[in-house]
Amino acid sequence: TQLLEQSPQFLSIQEGENLTVYCNSSSVFSSLQWYRQEPGEGPVLLVTVVTGGEVKKLKRLTFQFGDARKDSSLHITAAQPGDTGLYLCAGGSGSQGNLIFGKGTKLSVKP
Amino acid sequence: KAGVTQTPRYLIKTRGQQVTLSCSPISGHRSVSWYQQTPGQGLQFLFEYFSETQRNKGNFPGRFSGRQFSNSRSEMNVSTLELGDSALYLCASSTGTGYYGYTFGSGTRLTVV
Repeated sequence: TQLLEQSPQFLSIQEGENLTVYCNSSSVFSSLQWYRQEPGEGPVLLVTVVTGGEVKKLKRLTFQFGDARKDSSLHITAAQPGDTGLYLCAGGSGSQGNLIFGKGTKLSVKP
Repeated sequence: KAGVTQTPRYLIKTRGQQVTLSCSPISGHRSVSWYQQTPGQGLQFLFEYFSETQRNKGNFPGRFSGRQFSNSRSEMNVSTLELGDSALYLCASSTGTGYYGYTFGSGTRLTVV
């Protein structure tokens, strides 16, 4: 059974701080995605990474896929209150259509 | 381009009843997946439909079922509701597989009392 472990589960920081969220598995994934979900809404796709070692930047967010395609990280620089939400990683396998989701990191950025 | 539409947004049902949830995917998307989200378990995969055929199924009891119509709209049904079925039910659409990502609807919040 494929599992994705996210850490930390909860993170509360002040505006302007940097943070990193981790997503780890013992399984290899062909693609890894990050989503952000706000209360009462569905997750919104932030990025997809498919190549081991790949790094993608989205404004203040930097996503990295591990060389072995078993882990990923999300780094936020100078966090803002608008970054508050639940961050989910999800792994995809070429042999299956469905994604496996981690349980998420709940981020709170205080002004 | 319209997003993924789920109806209803909120639902309160009594134990033992059944419920049907609806999902209209993005136009042109042929794959619809359903997930159950709870605080303790996170997002758990229910099933995936592609071109009216169930392509994958998660580890949920037979009380959970679904179908997809020729216009790609999908419904999921839960019979004999239990308190533990209270959750946010999310529908996600994609062109083929989730490999490049899903577009999720806002979900249906089901409360079983």
